Amino acid sequence: DQQVKQNSPSLSVQEGRISILNCDYTNSMFDYFLWYKKYPAEGPTFLISISSIKDKNEDGRFTVFLNKSAKHLSLHIVPSQPGDSAVYFCAATNTGANSKLTFGKGITLSVRP
Amino acid sequence: DSGVTQTPKHLITATGQRVTLRCSPRSGDLSVYWYQQSLDQGLQFLIQYYNGEERAKGNILERFSAQQFPDLHSELNLSSLELGDSALYFCASSVRVFSEQYFGPGTRLTVT
Repeated sequence: DQQVKQNSPSLSVQEGRISILNCDYTNSMFDYFLWYKKYPAEGPTFLISISSIKDKNEDGRFTVFLNKSAKHLSLHIVPSQPGDSAVYFCAATNTGANSKLTFGKGITLSVRP
Repeated sequence: DSGVTQTPKHLITATGQRVTLRCSPRSGDLSVYWYQQSLDQGLQFLIQYYNGEERAKGNILERFSAQQFPDLHSELNLSSLELGDSALYFCASSVRVFSEQYFGPGTRLTVT
C-alpha cells in the first residue's frame, strides 16, 4: 500500500520556465510534508517542508502548495535552472505518532539549457 | 555536506554473509534513522533510534538489526544476506524526534 505517490516518474522543462512536481497521499493522518532532492551518488537533501496548518510555504525559488481536501501537494520551482536536475522525493509524516517519514518513489527532473 | 557520515561507501559480499554498516550523525543530533533504497523503489524506512533507544520500526526484516551507541553513532547489522538485499542504505539524523532529517551519502551494498 503506497501511501505517498509520485505518479509521474520524470519531468523535462526548459531553463527559466516553471517546474511543477506533484505528489498525492492517501493517509489522512499525515500532517507534515517534506520535499527532498537527490543527486546521483549522494544522499537526499532536505529542500522545503509544509505543515498541514498551512497551504503554502515559500523559500526562494521553491514553493510548496498543499491541498488537504484533495490530499495533494506540489513543488514549484521558478525559474528552473540546469542545476535543479535531480530526483525529487516527496515525504510525509504524522508528527503525533512518530517521526517516521513515508517517501514517494521520486520524480526525475531534467532542466534543459 | 550534510554532516552525516556513513562507512563503508561500497560493500560487496556473498549470500549468507553478515555485514555491519556504520553511521555517525550530525553533531548534536540525537535521532538516527535507517532507510533502504532498492532499484525502482523509493526510500523505505527501516528503523529509528533516539538517544540510544529504539523509537520506531518500519519494514525491517528479522535478519536485520540496529543499535545506537552512547556516543550516538549507529550500526545496522545485516545477516544471512540474500541477493535481494542489494540496495543503497541511507542513514539520516535529526535534532529531535521530529524535525527535518539530514541524510548521509549512503552505503551501496552488493550481494553476489
